[in-house]
Amino acid sequence: DAKTTQPNSMESNEEEPVHLPCNHSTISGTDYIHWYRQLPSQGPEYVIHGLTSNVNNRMASLAIAEDRKSSTLILHRATLRDAAVYYCILRDVSGTYKYIFGTGTRLKVLA
Amino acid sequence: DAGITQSPRHKVTETGTPVTLRCHQTENHRYMYWYRQDPGHGLRLIHYSYGVKDTDKGEVSDGYSVSRSKTEDFLLTLESATSSQTSVYFCAISNRVTGELFFGEGSRLTVL
Repeated sequence: DAKTTQPNSMESNEEEPVHLPCNHSTISGTDYIHWYRQLPSQGPEYVIHGLTSNVNNRMASLAIAEDRKSSTLILHRATLRDAAVYYCILRDVSGTYKYIFGTGTRLKVLA
Repeated sequence: DAGITQSPRHKVTETGTPVTLRCHQTENHRYMYWYRQDPGHGLRLIHYSYGVKDTDKGEVSDGYSVSRSKTEDFLLTLESATSSQTSVYFCAISNRVTGELFFGEGSRLTVL
């Protein structure tokens, strides 16, 4: 199973952009890159996903490197409610449809 | 919100007793998953299902079994609970078209 690597923790000031990196050097051509976040005492929730092109939605943007070996989740203006653990995972669509999570990045937002 | 519910939400049991956690969905999604979450380990996949009666092991399947006799229900069973299985268990369902995972609210299990 392809593996992702993320920093354990990051800090950001409120109202500033946040760039959360993820390395996935063993990604295969059929793997989608997914991002989820988990707020305290809740289950994870979907943030965004992509395959090759950069993606935008109301929550965030996803920038994917040209070689697809890394990606960056961009929160354009961090709020206190964005404090959470962010998970970058690879979705295997070649057969098993397994979602393997790592330990994620704990984002702390400073007021 | 995706229609996914877990039961029980909280359970305390003793070592050696059997425990079954239930995940129920109203979305008719084919794929269902059981994860456990422990401090310092993130989410770890226990078992998953890709259809009725079709299941497979995840990363940490030892000590757990699952069953899926109908689309809407995915059961996780601990045949003989141990203290190392004290954890928060999350069920998830997957929309195969979009790939989004939707999680339940979690079931906190304490094995004394």
